Amino acid sequence: QSALTQPASVSGSPGQSITISCTGTGRDIGFYNHVSWYQQHPDKAPKLIIYDVTIRPSGVSNRFSGSKSDNTASLTISGLQAEDEADYYCSSYRSRDSLVFGGGTKVTVL
Amino acid sequence: QVQLVQSGAEVKRPGASVEFSCTASGYRFSNHYIHWVRQAPGQGLEWMGLISPSDGDTDYAQKFQGRLTMTRDTSTSTVYMQLNGLRSEDAALYYCAAGPSLAVYYYYAMDVWGQGTAVTVSS
Repeated sequence: QSALTQPASVSGSPGQSITISCTGTGRDIGFYNHVSWYQQHPDKAPKLIIYDVTIRPSGVSNRFSGSKSDNTASLTISGLQAEDEADYYCSSYRSRDSLVFGGGTKVTVL
Repeated sequence: QVQLVQSGAEVKRPGASVEFSCTASGYRFSNHYIHWVRQAPGQGLEWMGLISPSDGDTDYAQKFQGRLTMTRDTSTSTVYMQLNGLRSEDAALYYCAAGPSLAVYYYYAMDVWGQGTAVTVSS
């Protein structure tokens, strides 16, 4: 059982927007602004797409955006494209446990 | 270019120990933590711990306390991870990762990942 809770799958049509949620507790997402999101294509290493809740690393498309409210963080992908089909993982700092990940969400582009 | 290169696949018996290496290049090794993250087949990511290359300080996930050891060799910009008492559930792809494009000593995310080292645990 993962420390952070994500939906197993989310799908959308090309051009649509989708949102992936990541639910934690007051010991992690609810207390710290150190939520990250990673994209992982099959048989590839994860790629950082959001850190510190809202910041995109250089080179990451602005179609990816992050937010947080209370104990839940969210990743929104706007203008969904075929290349966005991948697994997405959230991560947060948690007191006493350092870093924890969500179970991952499979995004399917219909 | 900035990269992390990991050692090759390992096959171990239950109860054995395994050690991997991760060699950094293209950035100042001492300025960025190196994390280890594993992924069992078909499963999600699991953070195991990190090491500070500058002073060797480590931070391990509670789950691995007592059987995980991370060390570093600054002369070769290499970190090592040793996992003892292997069990079948330790079979996974092990990644090292760092944040050389992020702030110095930034703890909370990683933007460069190694290619992964596969570990098989079988009797």
